[in-house]
Amino acid sequence: DADVTQTPRNRITKTGKRIMLECSQTKGHDRMYWYRQDPGLGLRLIYYSFDVKDINKGEISDGYSVSRQAQAKFSLSLESAIPNQTALYFCATSRQGWQPQHFGDGTRLSIL
Amino acid sequence: GDSVTQMEGPVTLSEEAFLTINCTYTATGYPSLFWYVQYPGEGLQLLLKATKADDKGSNKGFEATYRKETTSFHLEKGSVQVSDSAVYFCALTYAGGTSYGKLTFGQGTILTVHP
Repeated sequence: DADVTQTPRNRITKTGKRIMLECSQTKGHDRMYWYRQDPGLGLRLIYYSFDVKDINKGEISDGYSVSRQAQAKFSLSLESAIPNQTALYFCATSRQGWQPQHFGDGTRLSIL
Repeated sequence: GDSVTQMEGPVTLSEEAFLTINCTYTATGYPSLFWYVQYPGEGLQLLLKATKADDKGSNKGFEATYRKETTSFHLEKGSVQVSDSAVYFCALTYAGGTSYGKLTFGQGTILTVHP
């Protein structure tokens, strides 16, 4: 089983819909992150959490919200999806903030 | 703010060719540097890292040296294989301060290796 699991792997939805992307991990790491990947832009940080009670905005948090339900679970929500949120979304974890991050396989989200 | 710049891609090579992917950074402090690799349909995997100036990271035949004087962390491999075809990302983070734990990525370089 994967250490960092993202669900769903693919999702197509319509403008205005609420969407939740889920991430769970078995690595026992406290720190979790959500990124989006767009062609030619690399990965950009949406939100990050250093523990269950500590959630922080990244560089592109507008239009997104998160929930850290437990040490192992970190969900990303799009309250009212818009087409420019079409992207590949990645969840990642790390033991300490400066240590390498471990990524899930991504969720490909298309908003029509 | 911090930034990472990678060479323009895509890069196309024949098997056994020498690979260099350039990476330069702008940083306000003394970051740790990473190369991540993304194979098709997968998430990013750590390829190698260096935590201080003059450190050399190496893994799977790939190497990169942390050059503080040129603010660079170029990725090299002496003989590429078809299985090295992937997207390569250079990234930095800090062990403390307000940017603690945040990875700043370059835009990625697509590498295609032909038999």
